[in-house]
Amino acid sequence: EPEVTQTPSHQVTQMGQEVILRCVPISNHLYFYWYRQILGQKVEFLVSFYNNEISEKSEIFDDQFSVERPDGSNFTLKIRSTKLEDSAMYFCASSALINTDTQYFGPGTRLTVL
Amino acid sequence: AQSVTQLDSHVSVSEGTPVLLRCNYSSSYSPSLFWYVQHPNKGLQLLLKYTSAATLVKGINGFEAEFKKSETSFHLTKPSAHMSDAAEYFCVVSDYGRSQGNLIFGKGTKLSVKP
Repeated sequence: EPEVTQTPSHQVTQMGQEVILRCVPISNHLYFYWYRQILGQKVEFLVSFYNNEISEKSEIFDDQFSVERPDGSNFTLKIRSTKLEDSAMYFCASSALINTDTQYFGPGTRLTVL
Repeated sequence: AQSVTQLDSHVSVSEGTPVLLRCNYSSSYSPSLFWYVQHPNKGLQLLLKYTSAATLVKGINGFEAEFKKSETSFHLTKPSAHMSDAAEYFCVVSDYGRSQGNLIFGKGTKLSVKP
């Protein structure tokens, strides 16, 4: 069964450094998403992406964040200058053109900012 | 604004007994509702989805949920718990009619299953 994959599974970085989290969505899906879950808190929507542009973003997704689909398979989330409060589990998800609200999630990347 | 409330942060049951995880939602539109499960150190797995067809939705691993509009509830049940059901469960709403599929998560209910 096709699945969403994410790398790395765990990323440790110093405050102020740039990080790129990578995701490979399900191959025939056209909508892509990033969510995050700070330890002990809810899973929160960050951004959705379709047709090579952002469809929707939350208040959390400020200028420090960017997303990109650099090729036909990868979908990345870049945090330009990490802060301590960016420490969280980041989930990538994808959905098909039909039933876009049925999203399939990857295993997540745990980001630790020191 | 749409929201989801999971009434219990932790539910503990014995193996072989029924499971009930409660969820209430608030939505201005006809919602799509989901239950996701997250096993320790794993990603979020879709258990089941409601989209205004049958009000009783069957999912994987013997779980089912019933949509009750009058009570704005979407409780998750299973007749007989198994040890492998121990995980965190999230009730999720999507106001697809308003957004491009932005999912709103509840806080989660941690299910413990005792032998």
